[in-house]
Amino acid sequence: DQQVKQNSPSLSVQEGRISILNCDYTNSMFDYFLWYKKYPAEGPTFLISISSIKDKNEDGRFTVFLNKSAKHLSLHIVPSQPGDSAVYFCAASDWVNAGGTSYGKLTFGQGTILTVHP
Amino acid sequence: EADIYQTPRYLVIGTGKKITLECSQTMGHDKMYWYQQDPGMELHLIHYSYGVNSTEKGDLSSESTVSRIRTEHFPLTLESARPSHTSQYLCASSEISGGTDTQYFGPGTRLTVL
Repeated sequence: DQQVKQNSPSLSVQEGRISILNCDYTNSMFDYFLWYKKYPAEGPTFLISISSIKDKNEDGRFTVFLNKSAKHLSLHIVPSQPGDSAVYFCAASDWVNAGGTSYGKLTFGQGTILTVHP
Repeated sequence: EADIYQTPRYLVIGTGKKITLECSQTMGHDKMYWYQQDPGMELHLIHYSYGVNSTEKGDLSSESTVSRIRTEHFPLTLESARPSHTSQYLCASSEISGGTDTQYFGPGTRLTVL
């Protein structure tokens, strides 16, 4: 059972317009959410995150919105640029205790391929 | 942001060979992770470590093994590579800050076993 879902495998947007990437989750224990950007044959790059106590976090062209009641988050990119073309993964975190310490265990969605056309 | 290095970036190797994928980070993070990702799929955690001499298996069963003798170094070893091990292997590290734990990834190793 997939706890984090990105239902749109791909999204195509014109340069300068808004890109909206969506993510749904089922586990109410998730309390921290992250977006990563990934180019082929490279590792994911951390973009932006949001804690469950907030409903919005903004960083430059990137804004993440969290709707806890709907268990839904979205990433808005405004304005979109051709260099934004990549795979975007959302990830949700819940705490795991191990060896007397804790870490934020990440559960990833399958990713959405964003293509921004010039 | 963490500086994480992985070598080799690409590896093509024959069945039955022993391989070690290297991962190092320079930020002094206690926690380190190995993920496996197949094309078009989500990342799956295969190993993690919360400090020196501590390693645990992740959610996805893997025939690989890891070690953590130094804080900055978290190598992954496959004793006998098989075609089913063909995948991208991603290393990450993290440190709790401000009540959150953000993982930062290395560039990955693309492994192909013939």
